[in-house]
Amino acid sequence: KAGVTQTPRYLIKTRGQQVTLSCSPISGHRSVSWYQQTPGQGLQFLFEYFSETQRNKGNFPGRFSGRQFSNSRSEMNVSTLELGDSALYLCASTPTGTGANVLTFGAGSRLTVL
Amino acid sequence: GEDVEQSLFLSVREGDSSVINCTYTDSSSTYLYWYKQEPGAGLQLLTYIFSNMDMKQDQRLTVLLNKKDKHLSLRIADTQTGDSAIYFCADESNSGYSTLTFGKGTMLLVSP
Repeated sequence: KAGVTQTPRYLIKTRGQQVTLSCSPISGHRSVSWYQQTPGQGLQFLFEYFSETQRNKGNFPGRFSGRQFSNSRSEMNVSTLELGDSALYLCASTPTGTGANVLTFGAGSRLTVL
Repeated sequence: GEDVEQSLFLSVREGDSSVINCTYTDSSSTYLYWYKQEPGAGLQLLTYIFSNMDMKQDQRLTVLLNKKDKHLSLRIADTQTGDSAIYFCADESNSGYSTLTFGKGTMLLVSP
C-alpha cells in the first residue's frame, strides 16, 4: 500500500513569491491534515480537510490556505512568502471510522525562503 | 492553552533502556501518541495508548500513562543505535478532527 506522497520534496523561493505544495493521501483515507515544522516552534497544526471541506484550522495568517479535491488529494498554498515561512511542511492522512487519530505522515516538503 | 512538554535530549548506551518523558495539559484526550522522526523523514507512528489504560507494551516499547499527573512515558528496551532519532509525544487537540498537539520532541542519541 503506497504511503503519503508529498511533492515537491525541496524547494527554494524568494520573499514575496507564492508556493503550492501537494499531498496524495493513502488510498481510502479521506482526512488530510497539514503541519508546519520549524526548529523554534516545533510542529504546528495548519489545517485539516475531510471530503473537500476544511474542518479545522490552526492559528496561521490568511496567507496560508489549502484545499482538498474529490480524490482526497490536497494542496496547500502560501502567498507573499516571508523568511519565517522556511520550514518543513508535513502532510498526514487519517482513515475514518477508527477510534484513534492515527496520522500517517509523508516525508514532507522542505521550503526555504531567501 | 494546550501544551505538551518533553525534555529535549537523552543520551544512552547501546543495550541500555531509554525512558522518554512527556507531560500534557489536555485532560480530555482519548488517546495519546508517540511518534518517531529520523533525519530527513516525516513522522512515523510508534504506538498510542487509550486514556483509560495505565500501560501498553508493544515488543521493545512500553508506554506508561499516569492520567492523574498527566504524565506519559515511553520506554525502549535494549536500545539500539538505529533507535537514534527524535521522539514526539502528542495528545489530541480538543478541537478534534484528526488534530494532534505535539511536544517539541526528545532527541535520543544511542552510542555504541
